[in-house]
Amino acid sequence: DVKVTQSSRYLVKRTGEKVFLECVQDMDHENMFWYRQDPGLGLRLIYFSYDVKMKEKGDIPEGYSVSREKKERFSLILESASTNQTSMYLCASGAWNEQFFGPGTRLTVL
Amino acid sequence: KQEVTQIPAALSVPEGENLVLNCSFTDSAIYNLQWFRQDPGKGLTSLLLIQSSQREQTSGRLNASLDKSSGRSTLYIAASQPGDSATYLCAVSVGGGADGLTFGKGTHLIIQP
Repeated sequence: DVKVTQSSRYLVKRTGEKVFLECVQDMDHENMFWYRQDPGLGLRLIYFSYDVKMKEKGDIPEGYSVSREKKERFSLILESASTNQTSMYLCASGAWNEQFFGPGTRLTVL
Repeated sequence: KQEVTQIPAALSVPEGENLVLNCSFTDSAIYNLQWFRQDPGKGLTSLLLIQSSQREQTSGRLNASLDKSSGRSTLYIAASQPGDSATYLCAVSVGGGADGLTFGKGTHLIIQP
């Protein structure tokens, strides 16, 4: 079975802090993705990567950056967390056909 | 820009009923369509994947159909059970999986015992 793990299930941070969300997959997938999910807005793509050290902006990249130094790991970085970044963050990995999701990280920024 | 709509937004039915969830998308040039299930506070579980060249896929009590030309997909759940209660999400891929999915906002399904 494909396994996508995220470093934390719940996270509470303060405004202005630098926040790292980590995602690891064990299926040697080329593609990895970060989404956020908000009530009434659904899931929206933040960033994705189709290879090591490669990254592409999704629909809502503002306020975020990413890092992919190894194929299995994709990190989402909030350089200076703000309250409007309080959300559920979901990581996914996939080959050409199908995406598999991690359990999510619920981030609260106070 | 691709938009995905799911109807209804919420549905409550008695146990044992067959039901249909609907998904529509505005741009028919999709690579594939995926149905997911999400339990409260959890991640997404992939249920069915339909390639653009396919018409339907089945897994157990679930059957998903795709009519690409009309921009529609349906998820049919047979003999519903309380354990089927969850939010069901439809998502389409345009670029073959390398550029992310566009999601609908989901149908919140409750199966009454």
